[in-house]
Amino acid sequence: EVQLLESGGGLVQPGGSLRLSCAASGFTFSNYAMTWVRQAPGKGLEWVSTISGGGGGTYYADAVKGRFTISRDNSKNTLYLQMKSLRAEDTAVYYCAKLPGDFWSGSRYFDLWGRGTLVTVSS
Amino acid sequence: SYVLTQPPSVSVAPGKTARITCGGNNIGSKSVHWYQQKPGQAPVLVIYYDSDRPSGIPERFSGSNSGNTATLTISRVEAGDEADYYCQVWDSSNDHLVVFGGGTKLTVL
Repeated sequence: EVQLLESGGGLVQPGGSLRLSCAASGFTFSNYAMTWVRQAPGKGLEWVSTISGGGGGTYYADAVKGRFTISRDNSKNTLYLQMKSLRAEDTAVYYCAKLPGDFWSGSRYFDLWGRGTLVTVSS
Repeated sequence: SYVLTQPPSVSVAPGKTARITCGGNNIGSKSVHWYQQKPGQAPVLVIYYDSDRPSGIPERFSGSNSGNTATLTISRVEAGDEADYYCQVWDSSNDHLVVFGGGTKLTVL
């Protein structure tokens, strides 16, 4: 079955760090770019970051640039999001999602989403 | 940065047609994608490249894009279509690669 499963969310204090993981199954992970999208409570979707299939290309929203790092381990079929210097406004459900091809294929939408993991930044 | 504008809410009676708009500067020159999100669930792609439907999405869902407005049309609306709908484009200017609209809550009366 094709699926994505996020983990690693939880409660963290402002200024703290957290690493999210997204385990992929049912498809050849390295062939596809992957992305993180977040959704604050009661709010809309906000793009966070995207990484190419091989990991050589990474892209970030201004709101997280310099604080978050996206990476992937294709041998483990896993996507990561390392989050540092967390702020209250980073509180959200974080979804990982798959693009229908690699970044340079030109297909830049998200055809498979995980269920999300909740990150709460609070003292 | 590129901005997508959606109406906060749209209401429609069962069996009627719902139209959800997504406004943006010359959006007709971009590819627009649409997602459906039901409460407590992850988003689901319902339209890509303006008007293509993924497998498993009913033919009742269709899309169009021209000028400054893209539109998601849901025909013969059912109670199960009640959800939030988001439009999305990829905009490479100013490094803002992915832009989502603010979302529209579709209420089935």
